[in-house]
Amino acid sequence: DIQMTQSPSSLSASVGDGVTITCRASQSISTYLNWYQHKPGKAPKLLIYAASNLPSGVPSRFSGSGSGTDFTLTISSLQPEDFATYFCQQTYSTPPGTSFGQGTKLEIK
Amino acid sequence: QLQLQESGPGLVKLSETLSLTCTVSGGSISSNSFYWAWIRQPPGKGLEWIGSIYYSGSTYYNPSLRSRVTISVDTSKNQFSLKLSSVTAADTALYYCASQRPYVYGSGSYCYGLDVWGQGTTVTVSS
Repeated sequence: DIQMTQSPSSLSASVGDGVTITCRASQSISTYLNWYQHKPGKAPKLLIYAASNLPSGVPSRFSGSGSGTDFTLTISSLQPEDFATYFCQQTYSTPPGTSFGQGTKLEIK
Repeated sequence: QLQLQESGPGLVKLSETLSLTCTVSGGSISSNSFYWAWIRQPPGKGLEWIGSIYYSGSTYYNPSLRSRVTISVDTSKNQFSLKLSSVTAADTALYYCASQRPYVYGSGSYCYGLDVWGQGTTVTVSS
């Protein structure tokens, strides 16, 4: 099984700040890494696929990078609606097998 | 616009079988290249993939749950279902259904992402 580890588990920041969240895989997963945003009471939303690609409609302040075992999600200028939990997902396993990071809760400072 | 909705009992007794159904609307469950997934989130914990099914009936399960999980599909009703047997308190969670679709990028590469999710349904295992 591929284990995904995110850091930090929680983060406080202010509107306008830039933040970075890290996800590490227990083995190389190339760029088979997705990021999601999850707000309480709502369905998770896909933010980035294949490590650095944004689906249509996702604001450009979100960006992703990395390959192999280390990946980052960066939000360049936090907006009030960005305060949520973010989690990574590997899709390197033979589809549709997958696993997730434990999540990073982004809170308002 | 594709929508998914989970349904089923919110309370299940210890050692019994948890049963949930996901109804797909706004699209066909028989769509090529789409998988249909069950995912759960125990209180205070991260997400766990339970398993997925293709419209043909091919199933794929998380190895840690395989002995207790059955996922089935009913294409005539545009639904897929989850059964988890011999539940314990550790199975108390928010259960989601979701569509898994390929996202194409670069020169024809693709990866799977969870495109549309249901709102989730809370299942509590009681003694």
